[in-house]
Amino acid sequence: DGGITQSPKYLFRKEGQNVTLSCEQNLNHDAMYWYRQDPGQGLRLIYYSQIVNDFQKGDIAEGYSVSREKKESFPLTVTSAQKNPTAFYLCASSRNSNQPQHFGDGTRLSIL
Amino acid sequence: QQQVKQSPQSLIVQKGGISIINCAYENTAFDYFPWYQQFPGKGPALLIAIRPDVSEKKEGRFTISFNKSAKQFSLHIMDSQPGDSATYFCAASDRTDKLIFGTGTRLQVFP
Repeated sequence: DGGITQSPKYLFRKEGQNVTLSCEQNLNHDAMYWYRQDPGQGLRLIYYSQIVNDFQKGDIAEGYSVSREKKESFPLTVTSAQKNPTAFYLCASSRNSNQPQHFGDGTRLSIL
Repeated sequence: QQQVKQSPQSLIVQKGGISIINCAYENTAFDYFPWYQQFPGKGPALLIAIRPDVSEKKEGRFTISFNKSAKQFSLHIMDSQPGDSATYFCAASDRTDKLIFGTGTRLQVFP
């Protein structure tokens, strides 16, 4: 089945630690996205990538980093510079610009 | 100007009733308006979407109404069912490939 796989489902971070969230898609989509979801705030765009080896900052990129070395993979690193990382993180992909975005089932990150 | 304002924040509807969720936007460059449905612990799933060249789009029990002059669009769920209980998000985008989401509406349908 084609789809978007996010792992792990739950992740815990210690103070001062970097953690990496995985996102893999087998839909052959060119564009991939990372969103952060907080209660009552909807989804906010962290980073997006329209093509391999290229990515752009979204609205809340500070404290996060990404890479896009392969078409099917778009990992997100939450760095120690992100002071409030507790949230539900969602990865999405789309065929290309202005096409529907399809979401994975998210990773919930908490601070120990 | 990039915001999408969604209301109500929560909605309680009797089974068989009509659920109505409203969204408003300011950016006239927006040309794609999707609605997403999200169940707890899951990612949002695309429900239905509309472009501004039509005023209404219907798929089964779900209808989007679009008012370009008022810069508003709404989701109507006819014959609401307990299985429709979820959080619904409207969104909008222009050709920059970025979706701007509303803050969500938690719908509860009681039998």
